[in-house]
Amino acid sequence: TQLLEQSPQFLSIQEGENLTVYCNSSSVFSSLQWYRQEPGEGPVLLVTVVTGGEVKKLKRLTFQFGDARKDSSLHITAAQPGDTGLYLCAGVLTTGGGNKLTFGTGTQLKVEL
Amino acid sequence: NAGVTQTPKFQVLKTGQSMTLQCAQDMNHNSMYWYRQDPGMGLRLIYYSASEGTTDKGEVPNGYNVSRLNKREFSLRLESAAPSQTSVYFCASSDTADRWWNEQYFGPGTRLTVT
Repeated sequence: TQLLEQSPQFLSIQEGENLTVYCNSSSVFSSLQWYRQEPGEGPVLLVTVVTGGEVKKLKRLTFQFGDARKDSSLHITAAQPGDTGLYLCAGVLTTGGGNKLTFGTGTQLKVEL
Repeated sequence: NAGVTQTPKFQVLKTGQSMTLQCAQDMNHNSMYWYRQDPGMGLRLIYYSASEGTTDKGEVPNGYNVSRLNKREFSLRLESAAPSQTSVYFCASSDTADRWWNEQYFGPGTRLTVT
């Protein structure tokens, strides 16, 4: 069972459309990261959110951490072909054994002309 | 700076064969990680090394061994490959594992097929 579920798993849209990707869990995370991965490459960090309710913007990308720190969303405005890639959320879980980073299942985004 | 480099980029093994995946980083990071990526599963941690001289199991360590050769290099060994180990393997590094929210820098990956 995956700790972090992302939806949708696949998304194919036209250039200029808006979209939202969700990252959900029943666990509380001390922080959450979003990565983007392009074909043949490793993931690259986009943003880290730490505080419940926090919103961060990166140009046309808006990231939000849920108030209860159990979920997050990524909203892209006016998507462009360059946004195509695999988007991964990753949460930091603090347990008695220390901190642990857990990745979500991923959302594959394709933006077509 | 090359960042994180991995060799080889592609490998095909027969069941039962062994091989070592190599990883090196030039960012003077203390911590290094090995992940596998399978469709619909995201990235799963195999082993990590919080600092030179230490290694710890991650979420899916069975069938793998690791060696932190020095501060720069962290290798992953498959002693007897199985088809279930067909995957894309990523090495990553960060300045310290004490703060997991710190950015991890990933290599380009090794695509492994076990027949």
